[in-house]
Amino acid sequence: KAGVTQTPRYLIKTRGQQVTLSCSPISGHRSVSWYQQTPGQGLQFLFEYFSETQRNKGNFPGRFSGRQFSNSRSEMNVSTLELGDSALYLCASSWGSLNEKLFFGSGTQLSVL
Amino acid sequence: GEDVEQSLFLSVREGDSSVINCTYTDSSSTYLYWYKQEPGAGLQLLTYIFSNMDMKQDQRLTVLLNKKDKHLSLRIADTQTGDSAIYFCAEKSGNNNDMRFGAGTRLTVKP
Repeated sequence: KAGVTQTPRYLIKTRGQQVTLSCSPISGHRSVSWYQQTPGQGLQFLFEYFSETQRNKGNFPGRFSGRQFSNSRSEMNVSTLELGDSALYLCASSWGSLNEKLFFGSGTQLSVL
Repeated sequence: GEDVEQSLFLSVREGDSSVINCTYTDSSSTYLYWYKQEPGAGLQLLTYIFSNMDMKQDQRLTVLLNKKDKHLSLRIADTQTGDSAIYFCAEKSGNNNDMRFGAGTRLTVKP
């Protein structure tokens, strides 16, 4: 069974641009969560989707948005990029709605110049 | 808000036992987890424990939970150089199913 797949692996953008990151969950998993990981702040929860609905949202500005498709694949978008958005963005999937076990992808390393 | 705290660094010799500690504040926690992150990779679930258990053993890993003190530990027996990584403690809230992670403990295993 393939694991959680995130694309692209690395991304370099400049301030003011926007970016879209993609996540394909493990087959059969219906919940997808997104996290931002930085050396200073650790892992911070962005949002969680289950069956195409956003169930939970972390404390991030509206520039951060996401969506989930009917095949459970998810995308997150960051508009008007800032230098502080440079981070490793991790996607995690789980089977059901209670998130007992999260399975993480390898992440997308975003650098904003 | 609710917090998960763990020490940032631990260094041990190969063959010794490692003990990584974590404290949390949410008394409604239902599950507690240990994840491992190697360089350039995502988080890998190592083990987890239900909040009504006090111990779980899985090969070289032993998880101890003191629910009264809200203290969780991960013991790695016979630590190997391949165990060098960052270990994250996480807890799932029983109130809203939020997952909260600690800052991670960087384990260095010296030969």
